[in-house]
Amino acid sequence: DTGVSQDPRHKITKRGQNVTFRCDPISEHNRLYWYRQTLGQGPEFLTYFQNEAQLEKSRLLSDRFSAERPKGSFSTLEIQRTEQGDSAMYLCASSLSSGLDSPLHFGNGTRLTVT
Amino acid sequence: KQEVTQIPAALSVPEGENLVLNCSFTDSAIYNLQWFRQDPGKGLTSLLLIQSSQREQTSGRLNASLDKSSGRSTLYIVASQPGDSATYLCAVISNQAGTALIFGKGTTLSVSS
Repeated sequence: DTGVSQDPRHKITKRGQNVTFRCDPISEHNRLYWYRQTLGQGPEFLTYFQNEAQLEKSRLLSDRFSAERPKGSFSTLEIQRTEQGDSAMYLCASSLSSGLDSPLHFGNGTRLTVT
Repeated sequence: KQEVTQIPAALSVPEGENLVLNCSFTDSAIYNLQWFRQDPGKGLTSLLLIQSSQREQTSGRLNASLDKSSGRSTLYIVASQPGDSATYLCAVISNQAGTALIFGKGTTLSVSS
């Protein structure tokens, strides 16, 4: 169990550019989640995968955001035409089964700054 | 719409004190409640998960209670240590699929030696 890893740890980009983040979940975990956290707030749910299927998306996930999980392993989150309001910590989490009875394991996040 | 509130927002205590962190939620129809710890600039570490049918969970110096009917949970930390300094977040799951945690804003704890 090497934990959930996220890459990069930090990303600074100019408004209008596209960015992509990667998440590698714990290997045997079939559920993968993306959350966004801004300063002084708790994380907010963005989207969820079970294996390779994206089963749920929050209203926070605008058309500029897209997430994939090919082959049910790692996941990518892409933000197109970034805006200053996209500046936040993007957290990935995974779990072995339903979040009802197994805790989520979070990565250390990718901090995005849009200038 | 489920809302989670944590009080206090910040807490400073000397080492050795027992302390209480509070979490309340507006909709009692939850499936579970989880407490997390977050160190500055880091991700979240799961501390305790309480199923809706349970009243409490314990792990080491941590004890969490759940009163689902009143929409409250309490995290007790016994004999606090400087290493306990962090932000503590409470989160609930309200959907049956168990997919979306709804978080409070957290309580930032500082334990001085």
